[in-house]
Amino acid sequence: DVKVTQSSRYLVKRTGEKVFLECVQDMDHENMFWYRQDPGLGLRLIYFSYDVKMKEKGDIPEGYSVSREKKERFSLILESASTNQTSMYLCAGCRDRGGGQPQHFGDGTRLSIL
Amino acid sequence: SQQGEEDPQALSIQEGENATMNCSYKTSINNLQWYRQNSGRGLVHLILIRSNEREKHSGRLRVTLDTSKKSSSLLITASRAADTASYFCATDARTGGFKTIFGAGTRLFVKA
Repeated sequence: DVKVTQSSRYLVKRTGEKVFLECVQDMDHENMFWYRQDPGLGLRLIYFSYDVKMKEKGDIPEGYSVSREKKERFSLILESASTNQTSMYLCAGCRDRGGGQPQHFGDGTRLSIL
Repeated sequence: SQQGEEDPQALSIQEGENATMNCSYKTSINNLQWYRQNSGRGLVHLILIRSNEREKHSGRLRVTLDTSKKSSSLLITASRAADTASYFCATDARTGGFKTIFGAGTRLFVKA
């Protein structure tokens, strides 16, 4: 069975801190995604990557960066955390770059910025 | 605004009843997917329907797609308390189609 693992289920950080959210997949999928989920807004795409060291901006990349040094790992970085980045963050992997295949999600990291 | 928008936002039914959720979208699509999310967990893929298909079944799930109306519906028959979750539609756009766009979801509550 496919598995996407996010390193933390809950995380509390302070304003201004640099925050790292880690995601690992065991599916050998090339495509990985970071979303944030807020009530009433659904999932919004922050960044995605379709290969090692490749990254593309999603709809809301401001304040975030990503790192993909290995195929199985995709990290989301909050350069200087702010309270409006308090949210649920979801990582996903997908086999087909062109769509038409399901995305496999981790259980999410609920991040609070104080 | 979002590509996929679910209706209703919330739905409460009794166990054994059928639940119907609708999704509308704006642009032409390659396919449409439905996902489920239990409280505090990630999304789980339920079913995918391609733009040239009109109906698809998987167990107690039935999905329809009407591309002329740019809408889809998810029917869960004989619902169970364990079906309580949020349900999301997601569309892959026909042009520049790498990005999948998710709606805001329908929260379903099934009372035992």
